[in-house]
Amino acid sequence: GEDVEQSLFLSVREGDSSVINCTYTDSSSTYLYWYKQEPGAGLQLLTYIFSNMDMKQDQRLTVLLNKKDKHLSLRIADTQTGDSAIYFCAESRNDYKLSFGAGTTVTVRA
Amino acid sequence: GAVVSQHPSWVICKSGTSVKIECRSLDFQATTMFWYRQFPKQSLMLMATSNEGSKATYEQGVEKDKFLINHASLTLSTLTVTSAHPEDSSFYICSARDMVRDDQYIQYFGAGTRLSVL
Repeated sequence: GEDVEQSLFLSVREGDSSVINCTYTDSSSTYLYWYKQEPGAGLQLLTYIFSNMDMKQDQRLTVLLNKKDKHLSLRIADTQTGDSAIYFCAESRNDYKLSFGAGTTVTVRA
Repeated sequence: GAVVSQHPSWVICKSGTSVKIECRSLDFQATTMFWYRQFPKQSLMLMATSNEGSKATYEQGVEKDKFLINHASLTLSTLTVTSAHPEDSSFYICSARDMVRDDQYIQYFGAGTRLSVL
């Protein structure tokens, strides 16, 4: 099965907050990442968090990490139409490779 | 953040021909780059790790003779799809690893190359 799991779809109204959840399995992961992919494009690094942190905030983005439960979330405040995309959660492995989740498709409706 | 350039963004070729895709780190040096393949509506599948000055490391099930990787400099890795066939049609994405602090790295991704083999 997947090492990193995330829900596949999220629909949110413009202006509301979006919360994307992710669970991972490797307790030794030192970094956890959120990437954004728009149609036909590569991956854009949104933010990352060290495993010794609980929270990281960067403008409209808030990352919460629960290391005990191996749960990571990304909150997007005041979601805009430009936030419609696929969001990938990823964990770093001991060999520095990344394990990706399947991606959450976020659809922002007016 | 660091910038990774990937070229071409889209290529169409005839079956049996070879296609080369370039991945460049523009503002940092990358001893390690990665090549991924992405099928429609799916996540990224790691194909190989490209190491500057040495042979690439391929993931299980990836044909090294089909997907040739060269990492001749600290800013350039190339992926050549040899004797391409329609089943090789896919979205190929590269990434380059940048050190953010001792023993800690971030992967930055190129914009991807869409390969269509006729």
